[in-house]
Amino acid sequence: AQSVSQHNHHVILSEAASLELGCNYSYGGTVNLFWYVQYPGQHLQLFLKYFSGDPLVKGIKGFEAEFIKSKFSFNLRKPSVQWSDTAEYFCAVTTGRRALTFGSGTRLQVQP
Amino acid sequence: NAGVTQTPKFQVLKTGQSMTLQCAQDMNHEYMSWYRQDPGMGLRLIHYSVGAGITDQGEVPNGYNVSRSTTEDFPLRLLSAAPSQTSVYFCASSPRRGDNRYGYTFGSGTRLTVV
Repeated sequence: AQSVSQHNHHVILSEAASLELGCNYSYGGTVNLFWYVQYPGQHLQLFLKYFSGDPLVKGIKGFEAEFIKSKFSFNLRKPSVQWSDTAEYFCAVTTGRRALTFGSGTRLQVQP
Repeated sequence: NAGVTQTPKFQVLKTGQSMTLQCAQDMNHEYMSWYRQDPGMGLRLIHYSVGAGITDQGEVPNGYNVSRSTTEDFPLRLLSAAPSQTSVYFCASSPRRGDNRYGYTFGSGTRLTVV
């Protein structure tokens, strides 16, 4: 069965600090990978996705995620966070026809 | 606006009561699903449907029933509420099973408390 691990449950950063959120999955075949974001009081929104091709995926607001197949990872990064990045971030994986499996989420708190 | 609509947004139930969480989408999506979100556990799949008349169990189906009589609606029924069902419930849809080009579209959630 597919599973997703997010080891950072709660991250507190100051503005302008660099961010890297870890995501590891367990499945040996072809996967589709996602990052979802949930801003305070809002519902989940698709943030980044990887299906194939360039393993470095660039998203909005300066975020990027890198797929490293050998490490079964899809980490989310941002070189300089802002207060408005405060949110909960969920990594998710699917192997095509299966439902999305989500990680436990990382709550990011950015202090001004 | 097109999307996934969930009602109610908040609900408090007494142990043993039953209720139905409503979910409707107007995007003609075939695939719909219910997740529950609990602190430290992320989102866990309760039930899903690949089309009208077809439903199946997810990871945590016990205590919940679903039906899919139309493409648009996918209600989630709690038969006899228990405190362990206190959670935030999200409905999500996608065009077809396995079509993940745009990910899932999520509703705004229902925060349920069982006392």
